[in-house]
Amino acid sequence: ETGVTQTPRHLVMGMTNKKSLKCEQHLGHNAMYWYKQSAKKPLELMFVYNFKEQTENNSVPSRFSPECPNSSHLFLHLHTLQPEDSALYLCASSLGTGHNYEQYFGPGTRLTVT
Amino acid sequence: AQTVTQSQPEMSVQEAETVTLSCTYDTSESDYYLFWYKQPPSRQMILVIRQEAYKQQNATENRFSVNFQKAAKSFSLKISDSQLGDAAMYFCAYCSGNQFYFGTGTSLTVIP
Repeated sequence: ETGVTQTPRHLVMGMTNKKSLKCEQHLGHNAMYWYKQSAKKPLELMFVYNFKEQTENNSVPSRFSPECPNSSHLFLHLHTLQPEDSALYLCASSLGTGHNYEQYFGPGTRLTVT
Repeated sequence: AQTVTQSQPEMSVQEAETVTLSCTYDTSESDYYLFWYKQPPSRQMILVIRQEAYKQQNATENRFSVNFQKAAKSFSLKISDSQLGDAAMYFCAYCSGNQFYFGTGTSLTVIP
């Protein structure tokens, strides 16, 4: 148990649906991250939040909308997704941002867009 | 641009033997960290080992050690006395500033 939980664990949605992924960390960390993990591709960093403020947005399409109401919770709102958006979405947290802070990962949400 | 390359999509090792997973990276930075993460089937990704670029000494964590060659931009992971629980996807990662870059992973099978 790494202290980072994600819900739901599996999600199937149509291209016209709106859904949200939730991440919660119980580690007292200040930074949270969203990653996309597709088969045979490198893990892609999508967003970084530090103390609730977004610090990185790696050219992610606007159909993905993050929200960080506090340091313990992170959401990824999804709307009008494409089939190529099907992937495992991982949340992670760390005490701070930067390369000397270890990231702790959640179990991921397996998203299928039909 | 920073990239991380893992040239071995799949590897296998006999239980109790030693295996080395390869990783190379490309960067123009001088200050960065390198990581190996393990992702067991249907389980969470966890940190195995990390290396600060400014340290010449190779990091070790129990049965896990790295061979860090900064000039060659190489960062391999050696697993000694392999155990069945070591079976997983292993990802090499590079971090500089707030940016993390991961490789495509190496799937390690441990043969009993």
